[in-house]
Amino acid sequence: DVKVTQSSRYLVKRTGEKVFLECVQDMDHENMFWYRQDPGLGLRLIYFSYDVKMKEKGDIPEGYSVSREKKERFSLILESASTNQTSMYLCASSTEVRHSGNTIYFGEGSWLTVV
Amino acid sequence: DQQVKQNSPSLSVQEGRISILNCDYTNSMFDYFLWYKKYPAEGPTFLISISSIKDKNEDGRFTVFLNKSAKHLSLHIVPSQPGDSAVYFCAASGGWTGANNLFFGTGTRLTVIP
Repeated sequence: DVKVTQSSRYLVKRTGEKVFLECVQDMDHENMFWYRQDPGLGLRLIYFSYDVKMKEKGDIPEGYSVSREKKERFSLILESASTNQTSMYLCASSTEVRHSGNTIYFGEGSWLTVV
Repeated sequence: DQQVKQNSPSLSVQEGRISILNCDYTNSMFDYFLWYKKYPAEGPTFLISISSIKDKNEDGRFTVFLNKSAKHLSLHIVPSQPGDSAVYFCAASGGWTGANNLFFGTGTRLTVIP
């Protein structure tokens, strides 16, 4: 079974703190993604990566950066956390550029609260 | 601009009845459509998909219908069960590369009442 693991399920951080959200996948997938989910807004793409050291902005990259130094690991970084970044963050990976069938797999999510 | 829309944020259905979840899209370049199911505190999981060359795909109690001319798809669950209570996300995918090609709707929360 494909596994996408997000290391932190629940975090509480203070405004202005630097926050790292880590994601690891075990299926040698080329593509990795970071989404955030907010009520009424669905899943919004923050950043994605097609390969090691490659990154592309999604729909809402402002306030975030990412790092992909190894194929299996994709990190989301909040340089200076703000209260409007309180959300559920979902990491995902896929093996194909074309999202056919069930080729995109999600982690269980990280709940971040910024106070 | 939201390219995939789910206009009903919530839906309640009696156990055993049919649940119909709707989704509209605007981009005619989308050629693959997916439904994901999400329980609280878990990541979304794939449920069913349909290619634009078809107008119907069935998997057990779940059927997805695609109306390309109307840019509309729907998910039918028959019969609905309490365990189906979750948030359902519609997603649409295009075949282009080099940029994001998967777009999600805002979700519909389905509650199946025992």
